[in-house]
Amino acid sequence: KQEVTQIPAALSVPEGENLVLNCSFTDSAIYNLQWFRQDPGKGLTSLLLIQSSQREQTSGRLNASLDKSSGRSTLYIAASQPGDSATYLCAVRSGNTGKLIFGQGTTLQVKP
Amino acid sequence: EAGVVQSPRYKIIEKKQPVAFWCNPISGHNTLYWYLQNLGQGPELLIRYENEEAVDDSQLPKDRFSAERLKGVDSTLKIQPAELGDSAVYLCASSLVSDEQYFGPGTRLTVT
Repeated sequence: KQEVTQIPAALSVPEGENLVLNCSFTDSAIYNLQWFRQDPGKGLTSLLLIQSSQREQTSGRLNASLDKSSGRSTLYIAASQPGDSATYLCAVRSGNTGKLIFGQGTTLQVKP
Repeated sequence: EAGVVQSPRYKIIEKKQPVAFWCNPISGHNTLYWYLQNLGQGPELLIRYENEEAVDDSQLPKDRFSAERLKGVDSTLKIQPAELGDSAVYLCASSLVSDEQYFGPGTRLTVT
């Protein structure tokens, strides 16, 4: 059974700092991995999708990496801003079922 | 292009009452998902539709929950009767086949 873990559960950094969020999964046979952002009381916004054949994806100040063999993904945020404050969730899709297995999320606070 | 639309955004009901949630997916997306998100947790899949067919409903508590997707577009998720433990956020998502999933804003249900 696939399990997804995100550590730490919460993170607080000063504005401008570069930071890394971690995601680990127990079954390396994944189809893809998706990073989401969730603001309080809102739905999920897709940030990056990495297919199983890819090693990384970049969008603006965000860079996500995938290492299937070790069961790990990282989300790198460069030059953090207060507007980046939110909960970040990673989710893996195992096989071709479309079902996403989510981690519990990392709540990020960027202080001005 | 409009995103995934859900209504209502908030619902407060007394236990044992029925409740229904509605979702309109992104135009052209044939796959629709209903997720349940408890406070501080990642979403968990309840049911997945491909067009009109429920292809994965293994996590749907069928004694009180039901769902339908008529004509392969809009979907309705129903709970009857609601229990205190059903208080959560119900998220709808859609995708093209099993590609990147896009989420709606969710319906926050409070059962008193």
